[in-house]
Amino acid sequence: AQKITQTQPGMFVQEKEAVTLDCTYDTSDPSYGLFWYKQPSSGEMIFLIYQGSYDQQNATEGRYSLNFQKARKSANLVISASQLGDSAMYFCAMREADRGSTLGRLYFGRGTQLTVWP
Amino acid sequence: DAGVIQSPRHEVTEMGQEVTLRCKPISGHDYLFWYRQTMMRGLELLIYFNNNVPIDDSGMPEDRFSAKMPNASFSTLKIQPSEPRDSAVYFCASRAQGGAYGYTFGSGTRLTVV
Repeated sequence: AQKITQTQPGMFVQEKEAVTLDCTYDTSDPSYGLFWYKQPSSGEMIFLIYQGSYDQQNATEGRYSLNFQKARKSANLVISASQLGDSAMYFCAMREADRGSTLGRLYFGRGTQLTVWP
Repeated sequence: DAGVIQSPRHEVTEMGQEVTLRCKPISGHDYLFWYRQTMMRGLELLIYFNNNVPIDDSGMPEDRFSAKMPNASFSTLKIQPSEPRDSAVYFCASRAQGGAYGYTFGSGTRLTVV
């Protein structure tokens, strides 16, 4: 089974509008972490935001927020006030607890290509 | 801190040649990961190390691929012999034990095998 599912291959948003990128995850581990990374056309992987499974509040980092719905196993990324520079591929990822066969590893979704138009 | 440093940034080689990709993790990070990114398969974990010891190499596609981490500050991924289907971007990443924010990626090596 896929650990991370991103169902939107591509999304379009107009500049200054908000956009939500979907991510669902699959784990039976009560302790896990969820990440979003941005990959612009230049290719580097840029860390955006982190949510721990025990965090009571949704994570926020500037214009990025993570809409964490634990019961639904959902960790959507919300970008407010989109900018042209937000055009990139966005990856959702999960890390389970550091033990056993999953020790330390990060599972990635297939990504969503976001295009911001003027 | 200079971040995770990968070299070379770009590599073009002929089929059959040996290719060596290099990575210097962030000082103090206990984990090092090698990922491969292609359009078809997305980001695949090839192998990762904890305190220089390989933990899981099940993602290494074939015996042509090998990875080493001789010390805490250096790792190599070697492909011998290389094939056109190995063309991809190879990322190295590192993180600290228990670090929630600690996954830091290098800039990647874009490998083209012709």
